[in-house]
Amino acid sequence: DTAVSQTPKYLVTQMGNDKSIKCEQNLGHDTMYWYKQDSKKFLKIMFSYNNKELIINETVPNRFSPKSPDKAHLNLHINSLELGDSAVYFCASSQVYHEQYFGPGTRLTVT
Amino acid sequence: AQSVTQPDIHITVSEGASLELRCNYSYGATPYLFWYVQSPGQGLQLLLKYFSGDTLVQGIKGFEAEFKRSQSSFNLRKPSVHWSDAAEYFCAVGEGTGGFKTIFGAGTRLFVKA
Repeated sequence: DTAVSQTPKYLVTQMGNDKSIKCEQNLGHDTMYWYKQDSKKFLKIMFSYNNKELIINETVPNRFSPKSPDKAHLNLHINSLELGDSAVYFCASSQVYHEQYFGPGTRLTVT
Repeated sequence: AQSVTQPDIHITVSEGASLELRCNYSYGATPYLFWYVQSPGQGLQLLLKYFSGDTLVQGIKGFEAEFKRSQSSFNLRKPSVHWSDAAEYFCAVGEGTGGFKTIFGAGTRLFVKA
């Protein structure tokens, strides 16, 4: 059983489109995260939810909107995609203060 | 603000040789410290963590790390590197103010030569 899964694995789309990435964890963790990894492998936190409540919201354009329907799911919706949004997006989960378990990533390419 | 520095962008080591990856952090209190590994095309996997107690921590795949408060360092070591260790390694510091936030270093890419 995959602990943290993301769909889709690859996403190729044009500028201006809207897209969503889905994440699910079956570890029973309370906290979930979205990270963006750029082409230089730099990993930056975007959002964190604890029991469906947003607790971390970094400086991210408001075109990015996370949604957590329950504590096992955290989705990321991106409006009006731009070239600079091209990156690998990782979902992760943890119990607070503990290590994080990462999904396999979603490679987003905006053309 | 807390930060993590990995001074080496990439390191090349011969198979069977020892390895040390450097990590320095900036944080006021005792930090939560982690090392993660990322193989090409994969997500990150935890190698080891330090919260408190013994400053030498053992992890998976034969890795260990030592927390040195006086040097604000948490270096990762392995006595004998295998070709399968070639990957990107990330040091990270976590803090729990206003939601548990993990700050990652820029990563060190490890190349292993035969």
